[in-house]
Amino acid sequence: AQSVTQPDIHITVSEGASLELRCNYSYGATPYLFWYVQSPGQGLQLLLKYFSGDTLVQGIKGFEAEFKRSQSSFNLRKPSVHWSDAAEYFCAVVPTSGTYKYIFGTGTRLKVLA
Amino acid sequence: DTAVSQTPKYLVTQMGNDKSIKCEQNLGHDTMYWYKQDSKKFLKIMFSYNNKELIINETVPNRFSPKSPDKAHLNLHINSLELGDSAVYFCASSSGQGDYGYTFGSGTRLTVV
Repeated sequence: AQSVTQPDIHITVSEGASLELRCNYSYGATPYLFWYVQSPGQGLQLLLKYFSGDTLVQGIKGFEAEFKRSQSSFNLRKPSVHWSDAAEYFCAVVPTSGTYKYIFGTGTRLKVLA
Repeated sequence: DTAVSQTPKYLVTQMGNDKSIKCEQNLGHDTMYWYKQDSKKFLKIMFSYNNKELIINETVPNRFSPKSPDKAHLNLHINSLELGDSAVYFCASSSGQGDYGYTFGSGTRLTVV
């Protein structure tokens, strides 16, 4: 069965520091891959997505993610974190065949220290 | 302009009551979804409609009944509410079946007391 794992439940970084949020998936082929961000009391906002091609994808708010097929990973990165980046981050995969049903990871809560 | 709007934002009700949540999108998308987010932030799909046709119906108690009067609207009616129904319910929409990403509403926090 398909699954998505976000190993870090909580991450705390200082403002201005770099950030990497991990995401691993289990699927027989390469799925479509997404990162979403959820600010407190808000819905989820799409940060970036990967379908095929260049394995390094750029998103909004200065985020990027790298797809590594050999590691079944799609980690999210940001070179310099801002206090406004504090939020919950979700990785999601969509199988490329059949009904496109999102499978979300359990989320990583990011705390940013001033 | 709000792209995906849900009403109400908060809903507090007693066990056994029946309640509805409404969702509307003005993006011209043809697919809409209901997701449930539990207290641990886990998101699980409940239903999906494509052009008013039900295409995803997960293992959800039949007390939950979605209804899509047109492709811009997807409502969720819940009968005989139980304590375990307390959660945040998100509506989302997409073009096609979501391969370009979803647009989410801001959620409805349902509390059953």
